[in-house]
Amino acid sequence: AQSVAQPEDQVNVAEGNPLTVKCTYSVSGNPYLFWYVQYPNRGLQFLLKYITGDNLVKGSYGFEAEFNKSQTSFHLKKPSALVSDSALYFCAVSAGYSSASKIIFGSGTRLSIRP
Amino acid sequence: SQTIHQWPATLVQPVGSPLSLECTVEGTSNPNLYWYRQAAGRGLQLLFYSVGIGQISSEVPQNLSASRPQDRQFILSSKKLLLSDSGFYLCAWSRDLADTQYFGPGTRLTVL
Repeated sequence: AQSVAQPEDQVNVAEGNPLTVKCTYSVSGNPYLFWYVQYPNRGLQFLLKYITGDNLVKGSYGFEAEFNKSQTSFHLKKPSALVSDSALYFCAVSAGYSSASKIIFGSGTRLSIRP
Repeated sequence: SQTIHQWPATLVQPVGSPLSLECTVEGTSNPNLYWYRQAAGRGLQLLFYSVGIGQISSEVPQNLSASRPQDRQFILSSKKLLLSDSGFYLCAWSRDLADTQYFGPGTRLTVL
């Protein structure tokens, strides 16, 4: 069975500082990993995904994530936070095309950027 | 390009009344379709998903049902709403079950 965990309910960062939102996963075989962002009263927006290839994935709005197979992690990062990055972030995982498994989502991490 | 629509955007209904939420996708064919509920701005609960017309899988037994009368249309229904049905309902689509899901704007349902 696959699972995904976001260990922090909330992350607080000062504007201009680097940010990290943590995600760990458990899946049989090679995972597909995703990050989404949700602004208040909006649907989720896709940020980036890892399927194969370079472990560092770049996505929308200057975000990037690093796939670490040995630590089963896929942390979301940004070098310099903006107040407008404040939102709810979801990590998600699936077991890949061959598995016919669905994506499952983490519980979400609320990111708050203070001016 | 593909777009996904949900309506209504907001809905206030009395307890015991029926419900119908609609989701449509444009610009793709034979999508996988999903209904989620989100309570209090936190986690997503997958309610139903569909891999084709008339094919519905239920993830959580409850007061709701889903139907897919057309390839790109997904409907969430209830015969009698409960207070606990309040929440933010999100529809999504994907090309493959294991790959990226794209979400609609959501419907805010308040049951009074």
